[in-house]
Amino acid sequence: GQNIDQPTEMTATEGAIVQINCTYQTSGFNGLFWYQQHAGEAPTFLSYNVLDGLEEKGRFSSFLSRSKGYSYLLLKELQMKDSASYLCAQTDSNYQLIWGAGTKLIIKP
Amino acid sequence: NAGVTQTPKFRILKIGQSMTLQCTQDMNHNYMYWYRQDPGMGLKLIYYSVGAGITDKGEVPNGYNVSRSTTEDFPLRLELAAPSQTSVYFCASSPASTGMAYEQYFGPGTRLTVT
Repeated sequence: GQNIDQPTEMTATEGAIVQINCTYQTSGFNGLFWYQQHAGEAPTFLSYNVLDGLEEKGRFSSFLSRSKGYSYLLLKELQMKDSASYLCAQTDSNYQLIWGAGTKLIIKP
Repeated sequence: NAGVTQTPKFRILKIGQSMTLQCTQDMNHNYMYWYRQDPGMGLKLIYYSVGAGITDKGEVPNGYNVSRSTTEDFPLRLELAAPSQTSVYFCASSPASTGMAYEQYFGPGTRLTVT
């Protein structure tokens, strides 16, 4: 099966920048999503990449390198409300999402 | 728009009991999905539907059944509940395939415990 790998947990300071990495298997790749999930809540959409490069959306940016099977989510000017899990998900050859286990981001004052 | 709604929010089942998790969306989305999320694990696709009357198995369909008689509703049936089905269940919908960059909209989840 396809594997999505991302760090289990990261800690960052309020106001700082953090980069959350995600690696995936390149076979059958059809796009990569990032979702945010606060504890006890449903995932919500953050970004989508299908071409190489950086997509910027306010404080959040997402990068994709298809040849390397690599993506990252960049969060700038961190706020306490950014404390959440960040889920990386790949669209496979059947156009279904394969999800990583998520990276729990802890923001400290 | 209420978006995607799920009932119940919480449920405790005894081993061998059955139940139906309800999911409704009011966005006229064709695609609907059922996922389960276990602690420390990624979302796993149970079943999905690309339109009324059409359903298909996902990665972990055993022990579950679905139906899609209308665009709005996509109930998930658990037969003979087992402790391994203790999980958080999310229903989601999207206007079309995620291969076309359409995001999925999630319901608030149902937290199920089987003891």
